[in-house]
Amino acid sequence: DGGITQSPKYLFRKEGQNVTLSCEQNLNHDAMYWYRQDPGQGLRLIYYSQIVNDFQKGDIAEGYSVSREKKESFPLTVTSAQKNPTAFYLCASRGPAGTKGGDTQYFGPGTRLTVL
Amino acid sequence: GNSVTQMEGPVTLSEEAFLTINCTYTATGYPSLFWYVQYPGEGLQLLLKATKADDKGSNKGFEATYRKETTSFHLEKGSVQVSDSAVYFCALKTGNQFYFGTGTSLTVIP
Repeated sequence: DGGITQSPKYLFRKEGQNVTLSCEQNLNHDAMYWYRQDPGQGLRLIYYSQIVNDFQKGDIAEGYSVSREKKESFPLTVTSAQKNPTAFYLCASRGPAGTKGGDTQYFGPGTRLTVL
Repeated sequence: GNSVTQMEGPVTLSEEAFLTINCTYTATGYPSLFWYVQYPGEGLQLLLKATKADDKGSNKGFEATYRKETTSFHLEKGSVQVSDSAVYFCALKTGNQFYFGTGTSLTVIP
């Protein structure tokens, strides 16, 4: 089955701890994205990556970090510098430009992070 | 800049009622337009899309037409079902980035 997986579905952490959210895709997509979703605010872009070993900040990158060492994987670390980390985090990928999946994002099931 | 504005919810309809969720956009160039649906506790699923002016996207009884002259992409369905209860997001793509509306919650009651 091709798709995007995020783990875990629910994550609890104490304030001041860093935490890493996993995102894996087997769609052979080059581009991957991380969004944060808060009630009533839609999706806000944290980071995106167009290719392995390259990534760019989105609108709300402060307090987050990413890596893209493999095409299939784009983990997000929520650091202790993020002032309000409790949210629903969504990972997405997009196929190559000019292909059927090239202008569409496909989303994972999300991870709900709660910082206590 | 690029942005999407969609009607605020929540929207509550009776089963078999007609649905319209309004979406307008501001974009540079020629964006692609999308509707996504999100069920509780899940990620977003693509519902339909249109890539150029006057294109109509359709899926599962839902339709939306890309109107360049009014910069709109309104979502419609002729007869909603209880299973359509979800949050609907309008989105646009320009370049390598996507821009999402704030979502419209729909509840369909039997």
